[in-house]
Amino acid sequence: DTAVSQTPKYLVTQMGNDKSIKCEQNLGHDTMYWYKQDSKKFLKIMFSYNNKELIINETVPNRFSPKSPDKAHLNLHINSLELGDSAVYFCASSPLRRQETQYFGPGTRLLVL
Amino acid sequence: RKEVEQDPGPFNVPEGATVAFNCTYSNSASQSFFWYRQDCRKEPKLLMSVYSSGNEDGRFTAQLNRASQYISLLIRDSKLSDSATYLCVVNPRAGGTSYGKLTFGQGTILTVHP
Repeated sequence: DTAVSQTPKYLVTQMGNDKSIKCEQNLGHDTMYWYKQDSKKFLKIMFSYNNKELIINETVPNRFSPKSPDKAHLNLHINSLELGDSAVYFCASSPLRRQETQYFGPGTRLLVL
Repeated sequence: RKEVEQDPGPFNVPEGATVAFNCTYSNSASQSFFWYRQDCRKEPKLLMSVYSSGNEDGRFTAQLNRASQYISLLIRDSKLSDSATYLCVVNPRAGGTSYGKLTFGQGTILTVHP
């Protein structure tokens, strides 16, 4: 009965590779997000989708491409991985009318070697 | 200046102590405010919203001072299970595309020891 799930939980890969992280929520929320938490623990929003439509797109390299096949899923694809991409990536979701109340997934720990 | 600033700590307190965390934000137009909690190697979870009138949830009290752009969290009678990182969170604007764009502080680390 996991509310927001992400796969994989851990991802270790080489520089230059392409990888994807999947996120699913079963809360019936309309809005989903991707956040990056760096080594200094700052949590920063990358993207948000509302009912499959891109709403927020922060200053993120275009190597990062979110895809929302339906409102319950928001995947993150990363091309040409760099060392600086190493971080924890959190997916989150929220109800449409309470977008400040966000439910986070368990995170994906990405390490680029 | 960071949009949301917190003392990173760490705060080390004995069980039963009262501890207070502070947070300042730079955008005076910010609309709503929250405290999230993040356990070690876990995801952030909403702890409580912060209202201008102040609000209390059990041992936790949150206060907002809009004039000073200052938010606080007070934890009374600390428990071992309160050990976590406490994140101050600000919603810059209401409405439009920024509605769900939360700005997180770096977090304040709390360790409660026996």
